[in-house]
Amino acid sequence: DSGVTQTPKHLITATGQRVTLRCSPRSGDLSVYWYQQSLDQGLQFLIQYYNGEERAKGNILERFSAQQFPDLHSELNLSSLELGDSALYFCASTVGGNGNTEAFFGQGTRLTVV
Amino acid sequence: KNEVEQSPQNLTAQEGEFITINCSYSVGISALHWLQQHPGGGIVSLFMLSSGKKKHGRLIATINIQEKHSSLHITASHPRDSAVYICAVCFMDSNYQLIWGAGTKLIIKP
Repeated sequence: DSGVTQTPKHLITATGQRVTLRCSPRSGDLSVYWYQQSLDQGLQFLIQYYNGEERAKGNILERFSAQQFPDLHSELNLSSLELGDSALYFCASTVGGNGNTEAFFGQGTRLTVV
Repeated sequence: KNEVEQSPQNLTAQEGEFITINCSYSVGISALHWLQQHPGGGIVSLFMLSSGKKKHGRLIATINIQEKHSSLHITASHPRDSAVYICAVCFMDSNYQLIWGAGTKLIIKP
């Protein structure tokens, strides 16, 4: 158990809909990263938050947004969903705000858009 | 350009064999991570290192800063080691992002 909790584990929804994925970081970790992994693809960095503020942005679509709340949990909002958004979405947490500390990953949310 | 290359892409070996997976990167880094992704999708952090060598059980990770190269070794491999192994690098100028290698898919046959 990494200590990072992602909910839900599985999500099936229709095109055009909006969903929210949730991530609770490990206790004491201030930073949350979101990644997308499409079928047979590598991990694509989407966005990072550190202590409530956006720290870095990767290949995140405009239809996607995220935030980190005062209790440090984070939500990734995906809207106007398309078939191509079907993927495994991971969040990871670290103590610090950079890649110099160990990253702990949640089990992922498998999103299927039909 | 910040790049990470892993080799091999796929590796099939017999149980008990010594396994080596390689990761090369382009410019100076502040840290390098080795992660394991299980067939079910879960990701586990194996090592984070910025110099030298680390060992955990049958796993050994080494890094050579001058050669910009890291290796992950598995001794006495076992079918349960079958997974995708990913190298991720924090480049000094990457704005806190981890740049990911493409992964090495390892299959250990009994």
